Amino acid sequence: QVQLQESGPGLVKPSQTLSLTCTVSGGSISSGSYYWNWIRQPAGKGLEWIGRSYASGSTNYNPSLKSRVTISVDTSKNQFSLKLSSVTAADTAVYYCARCIEVVHPLRGVLEYMDVWGKGTTVTVSS
Amino acid sequence: DIQMTQSPSSLSASVGDRVTITCRASQSISNDLNWYQQKPGKAPKLLIYAASSLQSGVPSRFSGSGSGTDFTLTISSLQPEDFATYYCQQSYSTPSITFGQGTRLEIK
Repeated sequence: QVQLQESGPGLVKPSQTLSLTCTVSGGSISSGSYYWNWIRQPAGKGLEWIGRSYASGSTNYNPSLKSRVTISVDTSKNQFSLKLSSVTAADTAVYYCARCIEVVHPLRGVLEYMDVWGKGTTVTVSS
Repeated sequence: DIQMTQSPSSLSASVGDRVTITCRASQSISNDLNWYQQKPGKAPKLLIYAASSLQSGVPSRFSGSGSGTDFTLTISSLQPEDFATYYCQQSYSTPSITFGQGTRLEIK
């Protein structure tokens, strides 16, 4: 079955760019009707959706982060990536990658839900 | 943005109890509501999608209901492995999805 694995530096200095990669195994990032997402969770707090990309490269971002976020897909490596610029301590969190499946139900219309998640990686912003 | 509000924020219950968690949307979201379970140090796990559809492999003691603005997640008979934090998530305003703040289910 499809598995996701996040990777990247665990420590980033303030004002620098946070860069993470999610490697997809057990399936092709290009197959099916999937969106590839990044979600984060500060310690002891809830989940915040950062953004997503389709395999074609089309992207959507959380408006509150849009000016600092770039998500890209590398189909040749079966990976997708997150870049978050100008980080501050408020960006310290566990970052998850997740697959969102889009299903067209004959009666219920388009359904979307995140059915596969990576284990998460902790990123600390500190000098 | 569509705001999702869960209640209660925390809940104490015993093994075997029937438990209900509520999620309310700030506007109608039809049935575009998903539920996730998260255990400490782990990633969220999909339980219910489209308000009431059980994800494959999830025990049948979990069920979801509701439409419009009010939704519930019910665990019919709590098991020790069910103590976790539960999140609702709306996909109505996709791509701008939002989560509820979470409900922490603790052992009484």
